[in-house]
Amino acid sequence: DTEVTQTPKHLVMGMTNKKSLKCEQHMGHRAMYWYKQKAKKPPELMFVYSYEKLSINESVPSRFSPECPNSSLLNLHLHALQPEDSALYLCASSQGGAGNTIYFGEGSWLTVV
Amino acid sequence: EDKVVQSPLSLVVHEGDTVTLNCSYEVTNFRSLLWYKQEKKAPTFLFMLTSSGIEKKSGRLSSILDKKELFSILNITATQTGDSAVYLCATLRYPSGSARQLTFGSGTQLTVLP
Repeated sequence: DTEVTQTPKHLVMGMTNKKSLKCEQHMGHRAMYWYKQKAKKPPELMFVYSYEKLSINESVPSRFSPECPNSSLLNLHLHALQPEDSALYLCASSQGGAGNTIYFGEGSWLTVV
Repeated sequence: EDKVVQSPLSLVVHEGDTVTLNCSYEVTNFRSLLWYKQEKKAPTFLFMLTSSGIEKKSGRLSSILDKKELFSILNITATQTGDSAVYLCATLRYPSGSARQLTFGSGTQLTVLP
């Protein structure tokens, strides 16, 4: 079972709203990731959590705030976003051992109006 | 700066054709190279290649890595319309702890016509 579940699948929010994207995996993976993907572009890494601690933040604006409440869950809190933040947000996880791959969830399509 | 370059950027073929997609890389602390297929949703994992010269196969798809020349190819034989997708190549490194960092190429858009 290589399932990473993301909710919601689609989200439309105004620039003054606060919303959250959620991600869950039950594969016992110890690293979880948020990627952002714009149309016709490859995914870009935003954040990496390793053993529930933030280990990489790729200079993401503070209007995006990640949270890892436990080893199975990863949230991305959104506040005061801009229309250019509209994109597909992908969550991924990996086990963390040598040679392990990264598995992606189906993504959350975010539109900021 | 890590670089992953895929070619061609797009490719249009007819069903039954064989295609070869290319991926070259220049990365520090390289561990593995991964291929993903992306249709309208999330990337779907295809292969992970860590050792040179060992071909990985899955049905009509196969891939190989050359760590000396820093490239990989993905072959698809007897293409079908369902193979139409963006194929992403990514290099993997281990920055810290259990974290894994992927650097993606820009992808190859494959269109298979009936």
